[in-house]
Amino acid sequence: EPEVTQTPSHQVTQMGQEVILRCVPISNHLYFYWYRQILGQKVEFLVSFYNNEISEKSEIFDDQFSVERPDGSNFTLKIRSTKLEDSAMYFCASDREYSNQPQHFGDGTRLSIL
Amino acid sequence: GENVEQHPSTLSVQEGDSAVIKCTYSDSASNYFPWYKQELGKRPQLIIDIRSNVGEKKDQRIAVTLNKTAKHFSLHITETQPEDSAVYFCAASGSNTGKLIFGQGTTLQVKP
Repeated sequence: EPEVTQTPSHQVTQMGQEVILRCVPISNHLYFYWYRQILGQKVEFLVSFYNNEISEKSEIFDDQFSVERPDGSNFTLKIRSTKLEDSAMYFCASDREYSNQPQHFGDGTRLSIL
Repeated sequence: GENVEQHPSTLSVQEGDSAVIKCTYSDSASNYFPWYKQELGKRPQLIIDIRSNVGEKKDQRIAVTLNKTAKHFSLHITETQPEDSAVYFCAASGSNTGKLIFGQGTTLQVKP
């Protein structure tokens, strides 16, 4: 069964540094998402992306965050100047169509800000 | 704003018993309700979902019910097994962008 893949599995970064989290969605999927999960808490929506544009973003997704689909397979999340509170698990997800369709999650990237 | 409330936060049952987890949602436009199981340190995995045109759906030991009028939906696990132990999240979506709003999660412990 095809899977969403994410790299790296764990990223440790100094506060104030930029990080890029990478995702390869399932190949025939068109809708891509980033979610984050602070340790022990619920999964929170960050952003949805379709047709090379952001479809929707949450209040968490401020100017420090950006997403990009630099080629036909990768989908990236960039945090420009990391803060301690950005420490979390970041999950990428994708699905074939928006609305009423199962979203498939990657294994996540654990981001630790020091 | 959109919100999904989930309870209980923890649930402990004996192996073989049933477990029920309940969620309520605030956005009446929500029309898709998946349930995810998350084991420690792993990805959320979809275990069952239901759409708003259906009141109940079953897959072996797992069932989900939806009451649109009351805006709540529930996960039922019968004949629980120790491997069912995990955190379970409900979610709701009604946005035309596919955004999922998650509940706070329920830690299910099945005692052998």
